[in-house]
This record gives sequence, C-alpha cells and structure tokens, in this order.
Amino acid sequence: KQEVTQIPAALSVPEGENLVLNCSFTDSAIYNLQWFRQDPGKGLTSLLLIQSSQREQTSGRLNASLDKSSGRSTLYIAASQPGDSATYLCAVRKGSGNTPLVFGKGTRLSVIA
Amino acid sequence: NAGVTQTPKFQVLKTGQSMTLQCAQDMNHNSMYWYRQDPGMGLRLIYYSASEGTTDKGEVPNGYNVSRLNKREFSLRLESAAPSQTSVYFCAIRNNEQFFGPGTRLTVL
Repeated sequence: KQEVTQIPAALSVPEGENLVLNCSFTDSAIYNLQWFRQDPGKGLTSLLLIQSSQREQTSGRLNASLDKSSGRSTLYIAASQPGDSATYLCAVRKGSGNTPLVFGKGTRLSVIA
Repeated sequence: NAGVTQTPKFQVLKTGQSMTLQCAQDMNHNSMYWYRQDPGMGLRLIYYSASEGTTDKGEVPNGYNVSRLNKREFSLRLESAAPSQTSVYFCAIRNNEQFFGPGTRLTVL
C-alpha cells in the first residue's frame, strides 16, 4: 500500500528565506505527483503537477523536483512571503485513468514578517 | 476552486439524521471524487466516479452512498449520520491533475 510522508509537519521561517518542503513515498511506481496548497478553512489549490517522466516543474517562485527511484519530491519556495503561509500537501497517483490520489498529511508553513 | 461548487458549506446534524452533499462542475470532466479530511489523518478517498453512471469505492466508503446524476453532478449521501462522520468533505474533478471544490464542513452531534 502506498504511503506518503511529509516532513516536517510544521515549519516557521522569517520572511525572505528560501525553504524546502519534503515529500517521500514508499512505492516508486507512480504515474504522477501533485503539490497542493491549502489555506485555513479553504479547499485545495493545485500548485504543480510532475509526471513520472519529468524531473522538475517550475511556477514562479515555486520549484518542485521528483526523484522517483528514491521515492522523494521536494517543493522549493524562493524568497518566502507572509502570503505563502498555508499547509502544503503532496499527493501521488499510481496509475493513469481514474486511479485515486494518495495524500501526505501536509506541512504547515508560517512565514513571519 | 473555479469550476467546482459544493453545497452546503456548513451543516450540523444529529446522530441518525440523513443528508446529501452536492457537488457540481462546469468543466465537463468525466471523473469526479469525494474525499474527507480529518486532523491527523490527511485526505482519504470515499468514492469516485469515472463517468456518468459509474461509481467505485475508495478507501473509506462505509456509511456513505453516492450518485452520479449526470456528467455535472456527483452527490454523497449519509443515510444515518454518526459522530465519526464529522469531517470536512471535498469534491474533486479530473483525471491527470485534480481540482478541488471549497469543501463542506459537517458536524454530527
């Protein structure tokens, strides 16, 4: 059974710092990996999607990498801002079609002004 | 959360009551999903629907029923609510990259 772990569970950094969030998964046979952001009391917003054949994806100050063989992904946030404060979730899909996502429990990020 | 709507936003039920959570999408995707999110447990899949007229169980289907009324709508029904079903419920759509609705916060007393 696929398990997804996110470390740390919570992180507090001063504004302007670059930071890395980690995601690991037990079964390396994944189809893709998706990073989400969730603000308190809100739904999930998709940030980046990495297909299994890709090594990384970038969107603005965000960069997500994928190392399938080691079962790891990282989300890099450059020049963090207080508006980046949220919970970040990682999820993997084993196959194409309707195979559901398996989620990690998230990293709660606080960026202090 | 554009394109996926959920109703109601909040609901309080007494044990044993029934209710239906509604999800609708205007993005014309075949696949729709229901998840629940609980503190310390993360998001878990309840049911999903690959296309109109088909539904499949996810990780935690007990106590729930679903109905894919048409391509736009996918409803989740609690026939006899229990306190263990207190949670935040999210509907999601699409295959490759999933998009989520804003959620329904349900409390069962």
